[in-house]
Amino acid sequence: SAVISQKPSRDICQRGTSLTIQCQVDSQVTMMFWYRQQPGQSLTLIATANQGSEATYESGFVIDKFPISRPNLTFSTLTVSNMSPEDSSIYLCSVKERSGANVLTFGAGSRLTVL
Amino acid sequence: GQSLEQPSEVTAVEGAIVQINCTYQTSGFYGLSWYQQHDGGAPTFLSYNALDGLEETGRFSSFLSRSDSYGYLLLQELQMKDSASYFCAVRDNSNTGKLIFGQGTTLQVKP
Repeated sequence: SAVISQKPSRDICQRGTSLTIQCQVDSQVTMMFWYRQQPGQSLTLIATANQGSEATYESGFVIDKFPISRPNLTFSTLTVSNMSPEDSSIYLCSVKERSGANVLTFGAGSRLTVL
Repeated sequence: GQSLEQPSEVTAVEGAIVQINCTYQTSGFYGLSWYQQHDGGAPTFLSYNALDGLEETGRFSSFLSRSDSYGYLLLQELQMKDSASYFCAVRDNSNTGKLIFGQGTTLQVKP
């Protein structure tokens, strides 16, 4: 299965600042998915990132707040902009495995705390 | 849209069998998956059912009934290390095939 490196693993941020999370995959993948997981909660999809096209955002998430880049088939970034304490969460990138359309491999996650 | 329901918590003792249920509502069905997440860790894929019936993988089995929009994850011979959150997920019918996750069931295994 794919190996995903995600960084930072955790960070403490000040209100109003922005942070960019990086996701590196050891193989070429068509789609990458960014999820958010608030403490003790489920995984909520933020957006789907396709290489060479604009990311597709889910209801409740907008590009101005969560801009995504996908410059090539192995890398993506998610920026959390103008952060507030409500953005404190774990952000996870994931890729779909070739072994099955329902099989996702996740990065270890980036735990953000906004003060 | 899609929605999934599963119990929020389950407690069982070491060596026992536990079943975690999941009911779903989808506009199109492309299989039910199960993921395990230990505290502080990343979710990891456990199993997948596209057709009705039981899929067995070692101590874990997953069952699906499409007519009932229902599935479950069965964990046998529970071990302490099985204490984790378990999520069921369905794939939606968009061209991205994204997964929608249930709220998760926290399993606590006691000695």
